[in-house]
Amino acid sequence: AQKVTQAQTEISVVEKEDVTLDCVYETRDTTYYLFWYKQPPSGELVFLIRRNSFDEQNEISGRYSWNFQKSTSSFNFTITASQVVDSAVYFCALFTGTASKLTFGTGTRLQVTL
Amino acid sequence: NAGVTQTPKFRILKIGQSMTLQCAQDMNHNYMYWYRQDPGMGLKLIYYSVGAGITDKGEVPNGYNVSRSTTEDFPLRLELAAPSQTSVYFCASRLEGFSGGYTFGSGTRLTVV
Repeated sequence: AQKVTQAQTEISVVEKEDVTLDCVYETRDTTYYLFWYKQPPSGELVFLIRRNSFDEQNEISGRYSWNFQKSTSSFNFTITASQVVDSAVYFCALFTGTASKLTFGTGTRLQVTL
Repeated sequence: NAGVTQTPKFRILKIGQSMTLQCAQDMNHNYMYWYRQDPGMGLKLIYYSVGAGITDKGEVPNGYNVSRSTTEDFPLRLELAAPSQTSVYFCASRLEGFSGGYTFGSGTRLTVV
């Protein structure tokens, strides 16, 4: 069975602080994909990144970076110099061929204040 | 290219009423999914379809029905609405293959009173 755990329910930071959102996953598949989605207050789901299980390279996109470590089954997401516009709920998700579906974590609500 | 279109965006139902949430995609995606998102929670899979004429249950199928008569459309039917079905419903689609790239609709916010 697939499982995604986002242990941080809610995080509050002051603008310009760095923040890391944790994601731990479980699967017996050797081939899988990991995702991060952002859900702003408007409610839509915004795709941020997709990473396959064979690519453990860290990725950086502007202020966003992702750290994928298969040894600890983690796919953590860091926002550098956070901004108020980063306030949202962030979901980590896992896709495996066995399940053929996306399994979501429960999300982490990030509140960035001035 | 419209992507995944969900209608309606909002709806209030009375207990016991029924309704159909519409989902249509114009990307010729084989796979389609219905998720529900309860307040403060992640998304849970209700039903999914791997192609026209083929549907299967997800984690939380009770109280819902689906059909997939065409590649484009994947309606979700609620029979005898209950307060526990108050939620935001998301439809999604993807191509066959292991890339797993999902396209999500903008959601339907349903309240059962």
